[in-house]
Amino acid sequence: NAGVTQTPKFQVLKTGQSMTLQCAQDMNHEYMSWYRQDPGMGLRLIHYSVGAGITDQGEVPNGYNVSRSTTEDFPLRLLSAAPSQTSVYFCASRLPMTDTQYFGPGTRLTVL
Amino acid sequence: QQQVKQSPQSLIVQKGGISIINCAYENTAFDYFPWYQQFPGKGPALLIAIRPDVSEKKEGRFTISFNKSAKQFSLHIMDSQPGDSATYFCAASLGGSQGNLIFGKGTKLSVKP
Repeated sequence: NAGVTQTPKFQVLKTGQSMTLQCAQDMNHEYMSWYRQDPGMGLRLIHYSVGAGITDQGEVPNGYNVSRSTTEDFPLRLLSAAPSQTSVYFCASRLPMTDTQYFGPGTRLTVL
Repeated sequence: QQQVKQSPQSLIVQKGGISIINCAYENTAFDYFPWYQQFPGKGPALLIAIRPDVSEKKEGRFTISFNKSAKQFSLHIMDSQPGDSATYFCAASLGGSQGNLIFGKGTKLSVKP
């Protein structure tokens, strides 16, 4: 199993550009989530999904959209990037009714 | 507000020493308390976790101590090694199907040879 994979690994955007961060898992996990990690701030939940077709907001959802059309994929969209969205983004997944979350390797995003 | 407060922000320990990182939480409904370890350029990985029905859990050199009445829990790393140098995050959740993790702000541990 590849586990949780994320692409791209690095990305530089200009203010106002849009992009999609990809996340995929091959463990048949129904629960998937997106976090952002900023220096001194820990990991903060952006959006999460408990299964295909079901998504919900986390602590810091503004400026981000998600959708979940398959169990395997959970893309994160930035519609109009802002410098405040410069961060490292982590996708995570777990089985329902279990607690262990598995994190991907992250995407480092810089917005100029 | 659901918060998890972690201290210290950074920690330097000599090889062979004991590293201690502390966390405090507010929501008494939390029932799952994991610690994650993160190396530079990598995603966090689960290190050890505890539920509030036990006061201590040990896995190798890593021990969680849990004080339910004080709403505090801590990570102890015995015989710390340079390979333990990483950032450690405590977290808490309500558990179950919608148990989203709430993370502390992290502790950067450096173990000096």
